[in-house]
Amino acid sequence: DAGVIQSPRHEVTEMGQEVTLRCKPISGHNSLFWYRQTMMRGLELLIYFNNNVPIDDSGMPEDRFSAKMPNASFSTLKIQPSEPRDSAVYFCASSFQNSPLHFGNGTRLTVT
Amino acid sequence: EDQVTQSPEALRLQEGESSSLNCSYTVSGLRGLFWYRQDPGKGPEFLFTLYSAGEEKEKERLKATLTKKESFLHITAPKPEDSATYLCAVQGGGATNKLIFGTGTLLAVQP
Repeated sequence: DAGVIQSPRHEVTEMGQEVTLRCKPISGHNSLFWYRQTMMRGLELLIYFNNNVPIDDSGMPEDRFSAKMPNASFSTLKIQPSEPRDSAVYFCASSFQNSPLHFGNGTRLTVT
Repeated sequence: EDQVTQSPEALRLQEGESSSLNCSYTVSGLRGLFWYRQDPGKGPEFLFTLYSAGEEKEKERLKATLTKKESFLHITAPKPEDSATYLCAVQGGGATNKLIFGTGTLLAVQP
């Protein structure tokens, strides 16, 4: 199993640009989570999906952030427009029912 | 509101020097407490799940324990390869299976 696959691994963009982060969960997993990690706040849950349906998006910072899961094998997290304070490592994780979360290796986003 | 606090923030040990990491939590209806290990540039890697007070789990030099208010990750005779950030997370009651994480303990084991 290839595990959770995220792309790109690194993204550097200028303030105001649109950023799209991608995630392929582990095959057969029915829950998908987007987390953001910073030194100050640690890992924060942004949104999670169950069976491709968004269940809890209370962690999404503001309307500039949006997430989609068009099918069981793909999800995107979009930031438009991006701001320097969005700089962080974004992780995607997946799980099956109540099994532990399996994380990807993250996308390091730098907004200048 | 569910909350997880880990201490210390950082810990430096000599190889072979045993110690413990602490995870204090407040959660309504604990369904599980999780320990993860995170190496630089990588995502968190699952170590243990504990479900009820008194439960213990072991893996190599690591042992996790759970009470009603906190969990400990005991590291016995650590080696340099145990150096990593150790994260604690809780899964609360309700229908969701999201995890709330602490900010982690950065462990450095020197040879």
